[in-house]
Amino acid sequence: DAKTTQPNSMESNEEEPVHLPCNHSTISGTDYIHWYRQLPSQGPEYVIHGLTSNVNNRMASLAIAEDRKSSTLILHRATLRDAAVYYCILRDPFGNQFYFGTGTSLTVIP
Amino acid sequence: GAGVSQSPSNKVTEKGKDVELRCDPISGHTALYWYRQRLGQGLEFLIYFQGNSAPDKSGLPSDRFSAERTGESVSTLTIQRTQQEDSAVYLCASSPFSGGGDTQYFGPGTRLTVL
Repeated sequence: DAKTTQPNSMESNEEEPVHLPCNHSTISGTDYIHWYRQLPSQGPEYVIHGLTSNVNNRMASLAIAEDRKSSTLILHRATLRDAAVYYCILRDPFGNQFYFGTGTSLTVIP
Repeated sequence: GAGVSQSPSNKVTEKGKDVELRCDPISGHTALYWYRQRLGQGLEFLIYFQGNSAPDKSGLPSDRFSAERTGESVSTLTIQRTQQEDSAVYLCASSPFSGGGDTQYFGPGTRLTVL
């Protein structure tokens, strides 16, 4: 029951910014927007999350549209270590599940 | 501090055998999740534990799958009479609380191969 839509794959040049889009047109008023990434042969790791306002942390920035029907994960300077599958997830605070979907596979070109 | 650990890291078994997978969550984390990830696919929710509450088993694909957790400690996922379609990476995650802003910390997974 994935509630988000992401491109299957994207490419970026090393040291350039990357904008990873996510559409979630059916988001409810209480759903949080989470991003996780999964490096090859590893478990997913948390990147960032937000509710309504844009968010920044040491890994990335999250830009949330005013109507909350889409969001963008921004990696300010892509490195080779950022090559991973990035998952955009809606988190229902009253439910127990994270719906991971199939994510966006990011390739970073040296 | 120590992260989530899972054992074994790899398990090869024959069709029809039972397997038991173990997850050690981060100490103090009340929530624990099990997921399954087939090759090239996203994560599939299996089961959720929160403290001493009844687990959410809504993601378990069949009655061959079961899981236990005592309090806020170790969890085991058991697959009985394994089938080839059970081959996947089984991931465990724990979280200090459950809610919209919670963060899940994942273990490295157990790769299960059913021959």
